[in-house]
Amino acid sequence: QKEVEQNSGPLSVPEGAIASLNCTYSDRGSQSFFWYRQYSGKSPELIMSIYSNGDKEDGRFTAQLNKASQYVSLLIRDSQPSDSATYLCAGYNNAGNMLTFGGGTRLMVKP
Amino acid sequence: DVKVTQSSRYLVKRTGEKVFLECVQDMDHENMFWYRQDPGLGLRLIYFSYDVKMKEKGDIPEGYSVSREKKERFSLILESASTNQTSMYLCASSWTRDGQPQHFGDGTRLSIL
Repeated sequence: QKEVEQNSGPLSVPEGAIASLNCTYSDRGSQSFFWYRQYSGKSPELIMSIYSNGDKEDGRFTAQLNKASQYVSLLIRDSQPSDSATYLCAGYNNAGNMLTFGGGTRLMVKP
Repeated sequence: DVKVTQSSRYLVKRTGEKVFLECVQDMDHENMFWYRQDPGLGLRLIYFSYDVKMKEKGDIPEGYSVSREKKERFSLILESASTNQTSMYLCASSWTRDGQPQHFGDGTRLSIL
């Protein structure tokens, strides 16, 4: 079983809608989580970091962490076609020394 | 901004060649990583290093070696390239402090013919 799990998608949303991307993790002691955006043929780009329970907002992006349920989510408001990409969730293990990536969710925003 | 620079965006080599992929970061990060990424397989960790002259095997080290002679530079070496090493190679770096994100270079798309 992978330590960080994501639905591979594709997740298709219309332009202007809210895209909701989810990630679950198995290491209950994990503390730090990150969302990366990866366009086709490009490298992953860090877009959000979240370290504590609750929500963290940055522009159109909101990251949510629920340690009790062991899930992390990313909400993208007012989705644009330029948001179409694969989104990778990553989390550190309990010891804080190994970052594990999920397989990524492909998001398609249709005009 | 963090800058991680990989020496080549595209590289074509022949089977049996020794291949060097270079990575340089400008943020004085202690940690550096090499991944490969293939469709359907996600990111797979090849090797990483927590300090100069230190190296640790990742999940798929077979057929690869690394070198870290200076803090800012981490090299991946394919000792004798094979066609199954055709892939996108990604270098990343991070601070040692717990919970710090990794920052990626632009990647090298390597084709072994």
